[in-house]
Amino acid sequence: AQTVTQSQPEMSVQEAETVTLSCTYDTSENNYYLFWYKQPPSRQMILVIRQEAYKQQNATENRFSVNFQKAAKSFSLKISDSQLGDTAMYFCALRTSGAQKLVFGQGTRLTINP
Amino acid sequence: DVKVTQSSRYLVKRTGEKVFLECVQDMDHENMFWYRQDPGLGLRLIYFSYDVKMKEKGDIPEGYSVSREKKERFSLILESASTNQTSMYLCASSLLGGKGYTFGSGTRLTVV
Repeated sequence: AQTVTQSQPEMSVQEAETVTLSCTYDTSENNYYLFWYKQPPSRQMILVIRQEAYKQQNATENRFSVNFQKAAKSFSLKISDSQLGDTAMYFCALRTSGAQKLVFGQGTRLTINP
Repeated sequence: DVKVTQSSRYLVKRTGEKVFLECVQDMDHENMFWYRQDPGLGLRLIYFSYDVKMKEKGDIPEGYSVSREKKERFSLILESASTNQTSMYLCASSLLGGKGYTFGSGTRLTVV
């Protein structure tokens, strides 16, 4: 069975600061995908970034980057130059290559303060 | 713009009622999913379907059933709603083996 754990229920930073959200996971599979999703107050889940486990290079999307540590089964999200619009729930998720479903963590509520 | 549409944004039902939550996608995706979202628990999979009339139980199927008669539509059914089914329900779809999932905006169901 696969599990995803987000140990930070809530975080709060000032605008323009850098913030890192933590995620650990467990799977016995070697091929899998990891995701970070953002859920703003509108409730629409938005894909922030995706990482394939076979890729050693950390994924980057503009101000968002990940630190993927495969041996440690860790997948943290770094948001640089945080903006008010980054305020949202953030979910880490895992899909193994043979499965169709996503397994989610508990979520981290991030607040960016002006 | 691809879409997953959930029929209701908010719903209030009485205990014991039969409740239907509808989800429609316009992307010709094979997979469709129903998740339940609760504070501190994240999203938990109720059921998913990889083809018309095909379904598989997720992690918390008790008290729920699903129907997929057409590829674009996936319904979640609460046969006899109970207060512990008060929650946010999210529908999602994806291609078979796809790396991306598209979510609906959720239905917040309150059972009184």
